Amino acid sequence: NAGVMQNPRHLVRRRGQEARLRCSPMKGHSHVYWYRQLPEEGLKFMVYLQKENIIDESGMPKERFSAEFPKEGPSILRIQQVVRGDSAAYFCASSPLPSLAKNIQYFGAGTRLSVL
Amino acid sequence: TQLLEQSPQFLSIQEGENLTVYCNSSSVFSSLQWYRQEPGEGPVLLVTVVTGGEVKKLKRLTFQFGDARKDSSLHITAAQPGDTGLYLCAGKGGGGNKLTFGTGTQLKVEL
Repeated sequence: NAGVMQNPRHLVRRRGQEARLRCSPMKGHSHVYWYRQLPEEGLKFMVYLQKENIIDESGMPKERFSAEFPKEGPSILRIQQVVRGDSAAYFCASSPLPSLAKNIQYFGAGTRLSVL
Repeated sequence: TQLLEQSPQFLSIQEGENLTVYCNSSSVFSSLQWYRQEPGEGPVLLVTVVTGGEVKKLKRLTFQFGDARKDSSLHITAAQPGDTGLYLCAGKGGGGNKLTFGTGTQLKVEL
């Protein structure tokens, strides 16, 4: 059973370009989460999606960032007009249906975005 | 806003020593998870605790969830170099499904 797959592992962009990060959840998981880890900081929640729906985007910057999880294909985190401050590791996690008590999330290896 | 504070932030010990990492909050969490993250990789789930007072053991690692579900601890017995890594606690609470991550404890075990 393959784990959460993220690609690319490393992405280099120049300021003003677009970055697209992809995430394929574990088999059987229909819930996807994106987190960002800035240098020397912890993981911060960005967005939670189910197939074709954004459930919680409270952690996502209002501008330049968007996320989708289409019916077919991977989840995409898109950053338009990247700036140097967007340089970070972006992690995707997936889970089966969360219960009221717990939400066991499994993480991918991350995409390390560097903005020149 | 729910916050999780971990202590210590850094820990460097010799092989064979015991250690405890703490994860504290003023908020109640419905469950709490511990992850270990190595450089260049994503967090790997170690354990999930759900019930206040719950204790779980994973070989040399012992995890405890506080009675009030506001804090947790991770105790490692006879640490080995392979235990080196960033240990993160993460809580589910506030009615949503997102995880709030702790500030992390960077552990280094030397020979």
